[in-house]
Amino acid sequence: AQTVTQSQPEMSVQEAETVTLSCTYDTSENNYYLFWYKQPPSRQMILVIRQEAYKQQNATENRFSVNFQKAAKSFSLKISDSQLGDTAMYFCAFMLAEGAQKLVFGQGTRLTINP
Amino acid sequence: DTGVSQDPRHKITKRGQNVTFRCDPISEHNRLYWYRQTLGQGPEFLTYFQNEAQLEKSRLLSDRFSAERPKGSFSTLEIQRTEQGDSAMYLCASSLDSGPSTDTQYFGPGTRLTVL
Repeated sequence: AQTVTQSQPEMSVQEAETVTLSCTYDTSENNYYLFWYKQPPSRQMILVIRQEAYKQQNATENRFSVNFQKAAKSFSLKISDSQLGDTAMYFCAFMLAEGAQKLVFGQGTRLTINP
Repeated sequence: DTGVSQDPRHKITKRGQNVTFRCDPISEHNRLYWYRQTLGQGPEFLTYFQNEAQLEKSRLLSDRFSAERPKGSFSTLEIQRTEQGDSAMYLCASSLDSGPSTDTQYFGPGTRLTVL
């Protein structure tokens, strides 16, 4: 079974700073996807970024980028120039490329951006 | 293009009552998922539909839970004889199995269930 671990329950940074959220996962499969989702307080889950395991190039989406280390099974999220609206729970998630394709989520990291 | 919608957004019920939730996926998305999220935790997979066929169910989905997706469009999740442990946020997500965003799941706002 696949597992996802987020070792930082909470993080706090000042506005405009850069912050990196950690995620590790465990799988014996070779073909999968990794995601970061954001869940603002009392609001719905929003996709931040997606990475296909077969791609060596790290995904980027505006201020959000990932550091995907397949051999180490590590998938960290970097948020540059953080904004107050980035305050949210961030979930790392794993999905096999074949089969039911259900998402397996980590426990989440509560990120607070301070003014 | 409207997103995933869920109804109701909040439901308070007494232990032992039955409840039903509805999810309307993004139009043309052929895959639909149900997840459960308890406070402070990540969502956990419950069940998955490809069109109208229910292809996988988690062991979390006890026999009191049933899900349907008639005609491959909206889906319903019913919980019979609710228990206090059923209190959670029930999330629905949908995805498409082709195209540039293939297999990316988009979530609805959730239904928060409180069992008294």
